[in-house]
Amino acid sequence: GAVVSQHPSWVICKSGTSVKIECRSLDFQATTMFWYRQFPKQSLMLMATSNEGSKATYEQGVEKDKFLINHASLTLSTLTVTSAHPEDSSFYICSASKQGGGKNIQYFGAGTRLSVL
Amino acid sequence: DQQVKQNSPSLSVQEGRISILNCDYTNSMFDYFLWYKKYPAEGPTFLISISSIKDKNEDGRFTVFLNKSAKHLSLHIVPSQPGDSAVYFCAASAIASGTYKYIFGTGTRLKVLA
Repeated sequence: GAVVSQHPSWVICKSGTSVKIECRSLDFQATTMFWYRQFPKQSLMLMATSNEGSKATYEQGVEKDKFLINHASLTLSTLTVTSAHPEDSSFYICSASKQGGGKNIQYFGAGTRLSVL
Repeated sequence: DQQVKQNSPSLSVQEGRISILNCDYTNSMFDYFLWYKKYPAEGPTFLISISSIKDKNEDGRFTVFLNKSAKHLSLHIVPSQPGDSAVYFCAASAIASGTYKYIFGTGTRLKVLA
């Protein structure tokens, strides 16, 4: 199988503080991980592509200074929401990509619900 | 511009019957397609995928059909079970162009009635 662990599953923080979310691929190495955001009853919106050992690639409209991504190893990517504000409250989901043999499958973490007060 | 569309936001099916979920795309560069199942407050779970070199892929109760000329794919679930009730997302990527990111559809909520 392909297991991706995401931690924490739920976090509440005060406005202005920073929050770090971890995404780990437990049984495979992932050179590429992705970070998504999902608003209620909407689709998953890709925020950024995280590449091991290099800078993340952000989608249009996503502030890279606000959403800091680090992919320091083949099994770990982190997303830090800096100076969080209530409008950052959302469901954040990571995925790790398994590629090869003509296939490209992303395995997802369980998600993190962020509530900023 | 929504490149991947799921035009039915919801679908109800009787237990034991076939569920058919549809997905349309506009970008002819897409060459790999997937279906995911998602429960509330959880991450999506991979179900089945298909490469553009095929027109059908089957895995147990799940079959995905791809019609490249119509830029349409569908997921068939037979027989449907109450545990299949969830939101289903289709996703598309363009492996040949070197990008591994997905474009997701808007999702279809499937309700299987016991």
